[in-house]
Amino acid sequence: GAGVSQSPSNKVTEKGKDVELRCDPISGHTALYWYRQSLGQGLEFLIYFQGNSAPDKSGLPSDRFSAERTGGSVSTLTIQRTQQEDSAVYLCASRLIQISGELFFGEGSRLTVL
Amino acid sequence: AQSVTQPDIHITVSEGASLELRCNYSYGATPYLFWYVQSPGQGLQLLLKYFSGDTLVQGIKGFEAEFKRSQSSFNLRKPSVHWSDAAEYFCAVVFTGGGNKLTFGTGTQLKVEL
Repeated sequence: GAGVSQSPSNKVTEKGKDVELRCDPISGHTALYWYRQSLGQGLEFLIYFQGNSAPDKSGLPSDRFSAERTGGSVSTLTIQRTQQEDSAVYLCASRLIQISGELFFGEGSRLTVL
Repeated sequence: AQSVTQPDIHITVSEGASLELRCNYSYGATPYLFWYVQSPGQGLQLLLKYFSGDTLVQGIKGFEAEFKRSQSSFNLRKPSVHWSDAAEYFCAVVFTGGGNKLTFGTGTQLKVEL
């Protein structure tokens, strides 16, 4: 498709389970970001991928969170042993290499941990 | 410390009235500045951006923003608000020299009264 695609759009899971969230960026976009948006909060940076460089993981809140990007395209955000405080909308965004390029966001994956 | 602040959590304006949403940042140099809008059930969309040059920038949907270095501000304005402008607005900043991480403010929720 033409935009950033995220799946699933909604995920309900039980506390302690692992979840995987997927992001398909716009074709040709070398930069990919993950953000978390909690109710009443702004967007919290999680992780940033740029080409073949080492990712910037400085925003990951705990070692239960990890992300990978395979082949410079699709990215998967994994949350292990989910907790209720992980409930949020997880947003993915991509852009072309230059920082002046627009960041295009997907519609997010809403995670609810019961 | 580097930070971006949106002092107003909620703003209500009447349709046709003018609008100004505030954004301030704390940084020793000039960052890259952005405004995004998030409409209900939709992804984030870029309204405008500032990197350098003319401090008054025009964006989509009739919005503009002015960078004021002396005040460390990048306020968003619109002369006449339409009911369809009701949404959440986020100021975002790239602190140059600190990687390409886009840091968001906590957002301002705009309500438009008819």
